[in-house]
Amino acid sequence: SQWGEENLQALSIQEGEDVTMNCSYKTYTTVVHWYRQDSGRGPALIILIRSNEREKRSGRLRATLDTSSQSSSLSITAAQCEDTAVYFCARKMSNYNVLYFGSGTKLTVEP
Amino acid sequence: EAAVTQSPRNKVAVTGGKVTLSCNQTNNHNNMYWYRQDTGHGLRLIHYSYGAGSTEKGDIPDGYKASRPSQENFSLILELATPSQTSVYFCASGGPGQGANERLFFGHGTKLSVL
Repeated sequence: SQWGEENLQALSIQEGEDVTMNCSYKTYTTVVHWYRQDSGRGPALIILIRSNEREKRSGRLRATLDTSSQSSSLSITAAQCEDTAVYFCARKMSNYNVLYFGSGTKLTVEP
Repeated sequence: EAAVTQSPRNKVAVTGGKVTLSCNQTNNHNNMYWYRQDTGHGLRLIHYSYGAGSTEKGDIPDGYKASRPSQENFSLILELATPSQTSVYFCASGGPGQGANERLFFGHGTKLSVL
């Protein structure tokens, strides 16, 4: 899973498989953002989940947020080659009005 | 779609030289941010701004200055560039939504090499 000073993680799967990426954090948070970064581009928000939602879906994406275990996950169903990217979780710290990013998960989907 | 434009896209600088990275947003967002991204790592916050005339330090501000002369423009300045500042720099604007719901819109990044 990603957060803090952990190095970038890498996952490699075959097209059509499902994949889950995890994010854990040490302090309470009410909102987790998931961003996707394609090669050579800036990150872009793909899904945002609030604590009162617990689970949120957008197309083949599914995000969860568990405040009791202080963790979030992003799942991709039936991954496609175009899902190849780096995925970041991000959240606001309680005492700063800025978004802090995890170290990221580099996902490669092979045909 | 929200637009954030960075310039230049690529920059080669000499050690000890001055470098200015520029960012322009047409989203009318109050908040703007500068991050750097190094190979294999996530994004680290350098400076941010809540509006014209304001700048705040992020996690790694040493060696960097920021300037927000207007709502649209936010610059990152390296007065004395060092090789350790070789990185990819991203500018972002924040909105709509406030606080934890704020969404960031990123530019394409500036690849800076300090020789």
